[in-house]
Amino acid sequence: GAVVSQHPSWVICKSGTSVKIECRSLDFQATTMFWYRQFPKQSLMLMATSNEGSKATYEQGVEKDKFLINHASLTLSTLTVTSAHPEDSSFYICSARESGRSTGQGADVWNTDTQYFGPGTRLTVL
Amino acid sequence: AQRVTQPEKLLSVFKGAPVELKCNYSYSGSPELFWYVQYSRQRLQLLLRHISRESIKGFTADLNKGETSFHLKKPFAQEEDSAMYYCALSPLETSGSRLTFGEGTQLTVNP
Repeated sequence: GAVVSQHPSWVICKSGTSVKIECRSLDFQATTMFWYRQFPKQSLMLMATSNEGSKATYEQGVEKDKFLINHASLTLSTLTVTSAHPEDSSFYICSARESGRSTGQGADVWNTDTQYFGPGTRLTVL
Repeated sequence: AQRVTQPEKLLSVFKGAPVELKCNYSYSGSPELFWYVQYSRQRLQLLLRHISRESIKGFTADLNKGETSFHLKKPFAQEEDSAMYYCALSPLETSGSRLTFGEGTQLTVNP
């Protein structure tokens, strides 16, 4: 199956510094990747959609200047948390979308793209 | 707006018993529904999606548009089914995109 990696798996940094997290699709090309954030004992919350070769699309309430996303190639997207503060401490998860084949017949044909998830990165800001 | 609700945060059953994890959704358009599973210390992985109409590891889920539900069922639970289960929704027209997740249900299958 499709594999997505993230690096680093965990990082501890001082308040005010910037941290970069990498997300790679290892055995497929992904024109679209996604970044999620997960607080302890809570669900995943979509932060932004990363599109190869174009600007990322941010969800409402997510600061684009705070969370910089770059998707320079079909297998790599990076998330940079700029000027990190303790409230940015969280579990950051990326996913990469692999294009699926169409299914159904006639008017019921649609694509079945699938998101494959990375293992996540634990960010702790002191 | 998309919304997914999983009313049970914790669910505990005995091995061999039937299990049902509830999921309700609200979305004005045509939804695509998924169940993702996260085993201990592992990444999130797709269990099944309503379009495929598959049974994976004995689990099934049927999309009920009238009740806006996509409950996950298994007739005989196994200990290895213990995990965190997330129901998720994506607009059908953008398959696999912009997933909205429910809060998750932690399933424990006791021996």
